[in-house]
Amino acid sequence: EPEVTQTPSHQVTQMGQEVILRCVPISNHLYFYWYRQILGQKVEFLVSFYNNEISEKSEIFDDQFSVERPDGSNFTLKIRSTKLEDSAMYFCASRGQKNTEAFFGQGTRLTVV
Amino acid sequence: GENVEQHPSTLSVQEGDSAVIKCTYSDSASNYFPWYKQELGKRPQLIIDIRSNVGEKKDQRIAVTLNKTAKHFSLHITETQPEDSAVYFCAASGNSGNTPLVFGKGTRLSVIA
Repeated sequence: EPEVTQTPSHQVTQMGQEVILRCVPISNHLYFYWYRQILGQKVEFLVSFYNNEISEKSEIFDDQFSVERPDGSNFTLKIRSTKLEDSAMYFCASRGQKNTEAFFGQGTRLTVV
Repeated sequence: GENVEQHPSTLSVQEGDSAVIKCTYSDSASNYFPWYKQELGKRPQLIIDIRSNVGEKKDQRIAVTLNKTAKHFSLHITETQPEDSAVYFCAASGNSGNTPLVFGKGTRLSVIA
């Protein structure tokens, strides 16, 4: 069964450093998303990406964040200068068509120290 | 934008009893309502979804009901088992594929053997 894969599974970084979280969505999917989940809290939307551009972003997704789909398979989330409060589980998700199931990757646990 | 409220935040039931989790949404344009189950440290996984052209959907011990007029949808789990213990999230999404899922805050269900 196809699945969304994310790397790394866990990343520890110093405050102020840049991190790149990587995702490989399901191959024939069209819509891609990043969500984050602070420990014990709800899943929060960050950004959606369609047709090689951002289609929607939340208030959380400020200038420190960026996304790219560099090669038609990978979908990355970059945090330019990490803060302690960026520590969370980051989930990538993809959907084939509108109003269909969103498939989530296993997540990257980001710890900023 | 969409706002999803979910109740209760925690729910304990005896094994074999039923569990009901309720959600409300704010955007009348939303028309896709999935429910995700998240076990500790794992990704959210879809357990059932419903679209706005349907009022009820059932899959074995799990059912979801939707009241579009009241902007209210509910998850019903019958004959609960210890392995049903997890955090359950409701979500809502609009008609455009670009529209992301907006999640409720989650319900931690504990099934006591």
